[in-house]
Amino acid sequence: SQKIEQNSEALNIQEGKTATLTCNYTNYSPAYLQWYRQDPGRGPVFLLLIRENEKEKRKERLKVTFDTTLKQSLFHITASQPADSATYLCALVPYSSASKIIFGSGTRLSIRP
Amino acid sequence: KAGVTQTPRYLIKTRGQQVTLSCSPISGHRSVSWYQQTPGQGLQFLFEYFSETQRNKGNFPGRFSGRQFSNSRSEMNVSTLELGDSALYLCASSLTTGDPNIQYFGAGTRLSVL
Repeated sequence: SQKIEQNSEALNIQEGKTATLTCNYTNYSPAYLQWYRQDPGRGPVFLLLIRENEKEKRKERLKVTFDTTLKQSLFHITASQPADSATYLCALVPYSSASKIIFGSGTRLSIRP
Repeated sequence: KAGVTQTPRYLIKTRGQQVTLSCSPISGHRSVSWYQQTPGQGLQFLFEYFSETQRNKGNFPGRFSGRQFSNSRSEMNVSTLELGDSALYLCASSLTTGDPNIQYFGAGTRLSVL
């Protein structure tokens, strides 16, 4: 069956460390992966996307990697801050239907001071 | 530029009733998608509209329906409500329906079915 999984439901790390979130998928052919941030009581906010033929993308303290052999994307936040605490969602956009986006269940990230 | 606006923010209904949710997309965005978010199932795609036509549909029963108007505003309707329909319903708009289809979400409508 087709699945997209974010391995950790929750992740707690110390301020200043690098947070690494994992997104794995099976039985999909993604055109690209997107990452969103969601704060309590609000809708998700787009952060970054990475295409199938790209290995890595960066934006300020954020970095996303995409390994189509492992069927995995990693999302990194360097020099993490308490303000980075939120739920992070990965989203797969399949070649078969770009409008039918499949979201992972999310990882709740907590950065402690 | 104003973001995606969803109304109402909160709704309480009883089983068997029906409900209509509204979404105004970002100006210039022609694609509107609807999602259901629950703690158990996460964020699940309901359907997507582009230029007043439903372009794609998720795996939800026919009680869930929607439409889009000529000004791109969209409504979603759920008939014969069930307890399991309690969820956060999110609307998202995007500039086009294709690549890269970045979703701009509203704050959602929290529906509680009693």
